[in-house]
Amino acid sequence: NAGVTQTPKFQVLKTGQSMTLQCAQDMNHNSMYWYRQDPGMGLRLIYYSASEGTTDKGEVPNGYNVSRLNKREFSLRLESAAPSQTSVYFCATRQGPNTEAFFGQGTRLTVV
Amino acid sequence: RKEVEQDPGPFNVPEGATVAFNCTYSNSASQSFFWYRQDCRKEPKLLMSVYSSGNEDGRFTAQLNRASQYISLLIRDSKLSDSATYLCVVKPMDTGRRALTFGSGTRLQVQP
Repeated sequence: NAGVTQTPKFQVLKTGQSMTLQCAQDMNHNSMYWYRQDPGMGLRLIYYSASEGTTDKGEVPNGYNVSRLNKREFSLRLESAAPSQTSVYFCATRQGPNTEAFFGQGTRLTVV
Repeated sequence: RKEVEQDPGPFNVPEGATVAFNCTYSNSASQSFFWYRQDCRKEPKLLMSVYSSGNEDGRFTAQLNRASQYISLLIRDSKLSDSATYLCVVKPMDTGRRALTFGSGTRLQVQP
């Protein structure tokens, strides 16, 4: 039982390059989330998906797109990476509105 | 004003000490509260939920004060393994199933 799996774990991009961060869960949860974590800022919500087929913007969506491919998978795409997107990205899932969130191990992204 | 505020610390305490963290939240309609623990370069993991009547889990006690809009975490008999960052997490009622809101975290360093 892997829980929440993110790939890749580390990535270095050049400014302007694109990439997709993958997230897959085997917990049968409906809701999935993408957060970014920066020093002193805490975790900030980028996008979320309350259920398969739906996605909504969070607090900091600019520069990102997402796809909820099916119930298990939720990907985050950077179309044209910028140094300001250097961060640690976490995918999370929850079963219901008042339940705890489970996190993937994170992706450390550096944009140079 | 941030939705969830925490003292960033660090709190440096000797083994065996009792330490308390507070967290304030701005949305009075918040309905769910949690403490998460995050080890260095790892993903956040649920430490405990916080219930209205307060709750205890071994050496950890969580309290909620809705009138003053703060939650607290008390750690008794600190262990070296308690060294981590503790994240205060709030689920605002009016965001539906969107997401949990995270504080920036309080860093605890337990020293031998």
